[in-house]
Amino acid sequence: GDSVTQMEGPVTLSEEAFLTINCTYTATGYPSLFWYVQYPGEGLQLLLKATKADDKGSNKGFEATYRKETTSFHLEKGSVQVSDSAVYFCALRGGYALNFGKGTSLLVTP
Amino acid sequence: DAGVIQSPRHEVTEMGQEVTLRCKPISGHDYLFWYRQTMMRGLELLIYFNNNVPIDDSGMPEDRFSAKMPNASFSTLKIQPSEPRDSAVYFCASSFGQAAGNTIYFGEGSWLTVV
Repeated sequence: GDSVTQMEGPVTLSEEAFLTINCTYTATGYPSLFWYVQYPGEGLQLLLKATKADDKGSNKGFEATYRKETTSFHLEKGSVQVSDSAVYFCALRGGYALNFGKGTSLLVTP
Repeated sequence: DAGVIQSPRHEVTEMGQEVTLRCKPISGHDYLFWYRQTMMRGLELLIYFNNNVPIDDSGMPEDRFSAKMPNASFSTLKIQPSEPRDSAVYFCASSFGQAAGNTIYFGEGSWLTVV
């Protein structure tokens, strides 16, 4: 079945550092890929998405490119801020529902 | 535009009690999902509805859990009787259409503690 694997962290970075959170997937067909973010004590918010191979999703300085050849959708940001501290979830939608990775906790220190 | 609305936001209950979680999806959305989040298992799909009809409830952990959607603007997830291992965050989510690229929008979650 469809599945998503992401690095679990926690990841701790200094402010203005470069961020990469790896995400790989297994799926049949042509899924869409998503990154959701969960701030402490809050729900899940869509961060970005890509619906076909080679698409790049971007939002709030975050980017991820749908790589079919490597079945990956790594999340990147050039310069993180303290306010980016959260849990990030990679997700796949091939059918009707989302399949999530385990989540990666990010802590950005001043 | 209101998002997915869930209630209660926080619930603390004693083991054996009935718990009812409520959800109002985004108006016009025809898919509704219930997810559970725990530290051990992450985010799990419990059940989803299309046009108020339950389509897949294979994720419902056991008979103590039930979900209904009596109309397009309301759904409930009920646990009876509740147990401490049911402590988790329960998310309701909704989307329009079945295309894989359509975004699924989540509510703020119901944070359940069973003592």
